[in-house]
Amino acid sequence: AQSVAQPEDQVNVAEGNPLTVKCTYSVSGNPYLFWYVQYPNRGLQFLLKYITGDNLVKGSYGFEAEFNKSQTSFHLKKPSALVSDSALYFCAVRDEGAGGFKTIFGAGTRLFVKA
Amino acid sequence: EAQVTQNPRYLITVTGKKLTVTCSQNMNHEYMSWYRQDPGLGLRQIYYSMNVEVTDKGDVPEGYKVSRKEKRNFPLILESPSPNQTSLYFCASSSTSTGRNQPQHFGDGTRLSIL
Repeated sequence: AQSVAQPEDQVNVAEGNPLTVKCTYSVSGNPYLFWYVQYPNRGLQFLLKYITGDNLVKGSYGFEAEFNKSQTSFHLKKPSALVSDSALYFCAVRDEGAGGFKTIFGAGTRLFVKA
Repeated sequence: EAQVTQNPRYLITVTGKKLTVTCSQNMNHEYMSWYRQDPGLGLRQIYYSMNVEVTDKGDVPEGYKVSRKEKRNFPLILESPSPNQTSLYFCASSSTSTGRNQPQHFGDGTRLSIL
């Protein structure tokens, strides 16, 4: 069965420092991986997705994600954090081997960027 | 503007009183889905629909109904709401024509409180 784990409930980082939000996954087929961000009182917004063959994927707002097949990870990164990056981040996976387009979300990681 | 619209945004109601949360998308997406978001649990899928008249259960379908009579609309129905259905609900849609790597577009959410 497909699953997604975000091992950190919260990540704290100082503005200007690099940030990493971790995600590991388990699927039976090829993974379709996504990162979404949620700001207060808003729905989730798409940040980036894994593209087959690209181990480093670039997305919106300067974010990127590193895909590691052997570690089944898809960590979200940003070289220099901004206070405005503070939000709730979700990793999600669709499984080629699962029926339809079912998507599993991680529990979310709250990012706090301190000025 | 491409969007997913949910109504109402907020609702307080009582146990047993039937309610419907509407969801409409203007992107001609085939796939639509309902999620509930609870603290520490991330997003859990309630129902999804691959196209008109095609719906299927997600991970937590008990107590909910859906219908997909038109491509743009995907209402969520609680026939006899109970307090454990108090949650934040999101509707989402995505295209399926180019494969499973299309991200979902989310509505802004419906906060439902059942007393």
